Amino acid sequence: EVQLVDSGGGLVKPGGSLRLSCAASGFTFSNAWMSWVRQAPGKGLEWVGHIKSKTDGGTTDYAAPVKGRFTISRDDSKNTLFLQMNSLKTEDTAVYYCTTGDNWNYFYWGRGTLVTVSS
Amino acid sequence: SYELTQPPSVSVSPGQTASITCSGDNLGNKYASWYQQKPGQSPVLVIYQDNKRPSGIPERFSGSNSGNTATLTISGTQAMDEADYYCQAWDSSTARFGGGTKLTVL
Repeated sequence: EVQLVDSGGGLVKPGGSLRLSCAASGFTFSNAWMSWVRQAPGKGLEWVGHIKSKTDGGTTDYAAPVKGRFTISRDDSKNTLFLQMNSLKTEDTAVYYCTTGDNWNYFYWGRGTLVTVSS
Repeated sequence: SYELTQPPSVSVSPGQTASITCSGDNLGNKYASWYQQKPGQSPVLVIYQDNKRPSGIPERFSGSNSGNTATLTISGTQAMDEADYYCQAWDSSTARFGGGTKLTVL
């Protein structure tokens, strides 16, 4: 059974940093493209970015609002995905979901971890 | 940037057919996916590659995509289908989500 367990959320001040983790199991993590999607309170889904498998180059792509501030990385030896968030803004407040599937479609989702950016 | 537009809300009576649209420039030239999200839950993929259903998704969910519009159709809508629905497509290497449609079954 595929499981994605998001963690690391919390309260952080504007300008601060936070690192989210996603522990994966039930599939061959090293072969999977992994993504982060977020949802601000009462709002819709917003794609944050993804990291391809190393066999597909291991490269990353990001949404415009987070490019240059957020970094997605992976540790295939630990089946873990990361999202390093720097220079956080109040508008980054959201539930952050780890998700994966067949590279282009998100069949599996974590339960999400809440990030609150507030002074 | 590429935008996907959905109606904010759609209402349907139980047992009737609900149609939710998603509009984008030449969307028919891309694959569209649809996600269902109930309050307090993570999204669930219900349609991918325009019209494919993942394992476990009921046959009453179907999809189509042509021209500038993708459509999610729910036949014989049930009370349990009440949820927010989001379309999604890829623009270059960036995923885009529509703003979401709240489906009310009443």
